[in-house]
Formats: sequence, structure tokens, C-alpha cells
Amino acid sequence: QMQLQESGPGLVKPSETLSLTCTVSGSSVSISYYWGWIRQPPGKGLEWIGSIYYTGSTYYGPSLKSRVTILLDTSKNQFSLKLSSVTAADTAVYYCAGGGGNQPLHYWGQGTLVTVSS
Amino acid sequence: EIVMTQSPATLSVSPGERATLSCWASQSVSSSLAWYQQKPGQAPRLLIYDASTRATGIPARFSGSGSGTEFTLTISSLQSEDFAVYYCQRYDNGYTFGQGTKLEIK
Repeated sequence: QMQLQESGPGLVKPSETLSLTCTVSGSSVSISYYWGWIRQPPGKGLEWIGSIYYTGSTYYGPSLKSRVTILLDTSKNQFSLKLSSVTAADTAVYYCAGGGGNQPLHYWGQGTLVTVSS
Repeated sequence: EIVMTQSPATLSVSPGERATLSCWASQSVSSSLAWYQQKPGQAPRLLIYDASTRATGIPARFSGSGSGTEFTLTISSLQSEDFAVYYCQRYDNGYTFGQGTKLEIK
């Protein structure tokens, strides 16, 4: 059974870069899946940030596109998120997830809370 | 950009009764529509994909219907564990979520 686990700092200062990693176990990131990041501000709904295909092609949501980078590291079976120039509005639970081509997100990590504060 | 709209924002239903949740897409998403359930402090769980296919392990009381721009999630006889927030999501080109429907006990 595939499992995903987010890791990274829980506190980031304003204007800095938020960096998170998702480690995949029970499968390989090199399978034909889309690996993505979704966030959820406290008490609010879900927002897709972006995804990376196993080939390395990336797809970003329109609202954060200018600040987001998603990378794949096949040697570590991980993918990562970088969100630059963060503000308090970026405070959220960040989830990593995966799903097949033209498929929904079947597998999710448990989520990690990132707070942006000085 | 396709916008997903869910209705109602909050639905109050008694255990054992039927719940019907709606989701609309601003443009056709064909059948590339999923439903997720989220409980407090947990990640979303996939319930339905391809508009009407139950995900692995999902009870038969959950059913989905629709295509194009109008979709429905029906829970036939509500159990206590079904009270949660439900999100629809299109996945035909990227992913977009609806704003969610909170299903609460009446």
C-alpha cells in the first residue's frame, strides 16, 4: 500500500521560502503518477498548489504559479515543494498526494501545518 | 479557469436519512469528477471518482451521479461516521476543488 509523508519546518518567517518534502513508501515516484501538493488554511477549503508528473513535467495552479516550484528526486523517492516570498496568508496545512493520469488523488499524506510568522 | 461550486454550504440531516449534495462546474469536465470526505484533523479521503465509481473500501451507501457540469453525491442512509465535510474536485486538467459542504447532525 502506497504511503506518503510530508516533512519540513513548521514555522517560516515572512518573505522567506517555504520548503517541504514528501517521501513516498510502498511504491516508486517513477511510476506514471502525478505527484502533487494541496493546502488548506485553518478552517477553510482545499486549494491545489501544483503537481509534477513522473517525467518531471510540472503543472501549477493559477493563484500561486509565480511563487511555486515542485521537483522530483527519484534517487530518494521523494518530491518537494518550494513556495517563495511567503506571507501570513500562506499559513495552512500542506498535504502531498498522488494519483494516476486523468485520475483523482487516490493517496494522501497526513498533512503538515506550516505557520508563517516572525 | 473552471470554477467548482457546491451546494448547500451546510446540510443538516438526521441519522438514517438520505443526504444529497450538489456540485456544479462552470464548464464541462466530462466525467472527471471526484468526491472526497474530510473529518477534523484528517486528510481528505477519496470516495467517488469518474463521477460514479466508488473508491476501494467505500460503502455502497455512497453513490455519485452526473456528467458535464452537474454532479450529485448521495448518501442513502446516514451513519454517525458520515458527518463530515465533503468536497468535489475536477481532475480533467489540473485539479480544482469546490468550497465544500458540511454535513451535520440534525
